[in-house]
Amino acid sequence: KQEVTQIPAALSVPEGENLVLNCSFTDSAIYNLQWFRQDPGKGLTSLLLIQSSQREQTSGRLNASLDKSSGRSTLYIAASQPGDSATYLCAVMTTDSWGKFQFGAGTQVVVTP
Amino acid sequence: NAGVTQTPKFQVLKTGQSMTLQCAQDMNHEYMSWYRQDPGMGLRLIHYSVGAGITDQGEVPNGYNVSRSTTEDFPLRLLSAAPSQTSVYFCASRSGDTQYFGPGTRLTVL
Repeated sequence: KQEVTQIPAALSVPEGENLVLNCSFTDSAIYNLQWFRQDPGKGLTSLLLIQSSQREQTSGRLNASLDKSSGRSTLYIAASQPGDSATYLCAVMTTDSWGKFQFGAGTQVVVTP
Repeated sequence: NAGVTQTPKFQVLKTGQSMTLQCAQDMNHEYMSWYRQDPGMGLRLIHYSVGAGITDQGEVPNGYNVSRSTTEDFPLRLLSAAPSQTSVYFCASRSGDTQYFGPGTRLTVL
């Protein structure tokens, strides 16, 4: 069974620093990996989707990398802002469970002014 | 275009009561799903549907029922609420590889 881990569970950085969020998974036979943002009391918003054939995806200040062989993905957020404070979750779709996502528990990020 | 909507936002039940969490989407997505989110854990799939009239179990289906009579609606029923079902429930619909989530229902079972 696919297991998805996000470490650390919480992270606090001063404004302007770059954020590095980690996601690891146990089964490398993945279809894709997706990063989500969750604000308190709200649903999840998709940030980036990486297909298994891709090594990275970029959107503005966000960059996500994928290394299937080592079972890792990293989300980089450049020049963090207080508005980046949220919980970030990664989710993996494995090839034998198409359509079903396995989620990590998330990393709670606080960016201090 | 409202996206995915869920009602109610908050609910308190007593053990043994039943209720239905409502979910609707206006994007004409075939695939819909229900998740629960508990502290320190990722979202876990309860039930999902690949189209009207077709549903299947996810990772944690016990104590929950679903049906899908229309493309738009996917209600989740708690038959006899238990304290272990205290959680935040999210409904989602999917287009291709992208999931769209509702705002969630926070359920407390006393």
